[in-house]
Amino acid sequence: NAGVTQTPKFRILKIGQSMTLQCTQDMNHNYMYWYRQDPGMGLKLIYYSVGAGITDKGEVPNGYNVSRSTTEDFPLRLELAAPSQTSVYFCASSSRTDNQPQHFGDGTRLSIL
Amino acid sequence: SQKIEQNSEALNIQEGKTATLTCNYTNYSPAYLQWYRQDPGRGPVFLLLIRENEKEKRKERLKVTFDTTLKQSLFHITASQPADSATYLCALPNQGGKLIFGQGTELSVKP
Repeated sequence: NAGVTQTPKFRILKIGQSMTLQCTQDMNHNYMYWYRQDPGMGLKLIYYSVGAGITDKGEVPNGYNVSRSTTEDFPLRLELAAPSQTSVYFCASSSRTDNQPQHFGDGTRLSIL
Repeated sequence: SQKIEQNSEALNIQEGKTATLTCNYTNYSPAYLQWYRQDPGRGPVFLLLIRENEKEKRKERLKVTFDTTLKQSLFHITASQPADSATYLCALPNQGGKLIFGQGTELSVKP
């Protein structure tokens, strides 16, 4: 009964370093999403995927990359970390994109110093 | 583009009272609207979905209304409990079908 699992839960990076945030879901959902949440702000969509091999940009994609080689996994890559990328990152999945609830992981808290 | 406005001020109420949270949107009326609950350090959890042709939706102590004329949804928790304390987010689809989220309203229920 895992749902959406994100790792790591916390990470501190130095400016210019790179890292991959992992996300996996066990609900066989086709749709997966990456959001960032900054204090006092709503969730902002970074990238999404409608199925294995298909990804597309959301509202704030700059500085990030994604891949979707399997239905279960949707990793988010930061290539050159910048202080503006300090945020909480949430991965979510849904069975369809319209009028279906999204299931969220518990987030990765990322600080870039 | 579509914008969502939720009351950014925290709502403090006494246990047993009804909490009412507001979600206003601009521009076009969406086909549906969703409400989520988010606890500190956790991801949002889906609560309710209401479609544009539904005026009201209920689930246990929760009630959601959707007024397309006012461009507003109200989220009610009746007989509130301290365990209801959390941040509540509303979300609706943009013209591309992707969900956009409000910034959330923090609810605190005091015993």
